[in-house]
Amino acid sequence: RKEVEQDPGPFNVPEGATVAFNCTYSNSASQSFFWYRQDCRKEPKLLMSVYSSGNEDGRFTAQLNRASQYISLLIRDSKLSDSATYLCVVPNTGGFKTIFGAGTRLFVKA
Amino acid sequence: NAGVTQTPKFQVLKTGQSMTLQCAQDMNHEYMSWYRQDPGMGLRLIHYSVGAGITDQGEVPNGYNVSRSTTEDFPLRLLSAAPSQTSVYFCASSYSNRDQPQHFGDGTRLSIL
Repeated sequence: RKEVEQDPGPFNVPEGATVAFNCTYSNSASQSFFWYRQDCRKEPKLLMSVYSSGNEDGRFTAQLNRASQYISLLIRDSKLSDSATYLCVVPNTGGFKTIFGAGTRLFVKA
Repeated sequence: NAGVTQTPKFQVLKTGQSMTLQCAQDMNHEYMSWYRQDPGMGLRLIHYSVGAGITDQGEVPNGYNVSRSTTEDFPLRLLSAAPSQTSVYFCASSYSNRDQPQHFGDGTRLSIL
């Protein structure tokens, strides 16, 4: 099992849709998790941090399920500008290494 | 605030040449790391450092060296460039790698001919 695995995507959704991505992790000792957004091979930018059961910021909600070892990202009322790759990050996986998931590509269509 | 600064932004090398990618941060972060990203793929960890004088290998360290003589700087050296090292390189830093998110530089786009 990979240390961090994400939904393969791509997800193609119309504007206004709700879309959810999942990310599973292998290290049950992980305590914090992050979702990043990356546009067209630009640098990843932090979208949300998840330290407990979940977090909400406007149209974005992240939820953590420790028993099943996955985190999810929910985007409501999708905008064209949400089109990007979303990266799941689990710090300190396997020691001091921070491992990024391969990313889930989202296309929001008009 | 400068944040994480990478230089150069673009570079073309010939096979066998060596060069150093520079990374500097002004946030007094202890943890720094280098990633490479190939087309259609995710970020892969090359090397990382948990503080000045301490470095370790990531997932894909072969062909690269790093050093961390100061908290601010974490240069990445390509010893003998190969076409397989054509990629986009990102440097990142954080207060710690345990609970804090990483801040990224805007990348170095490297082509090896």
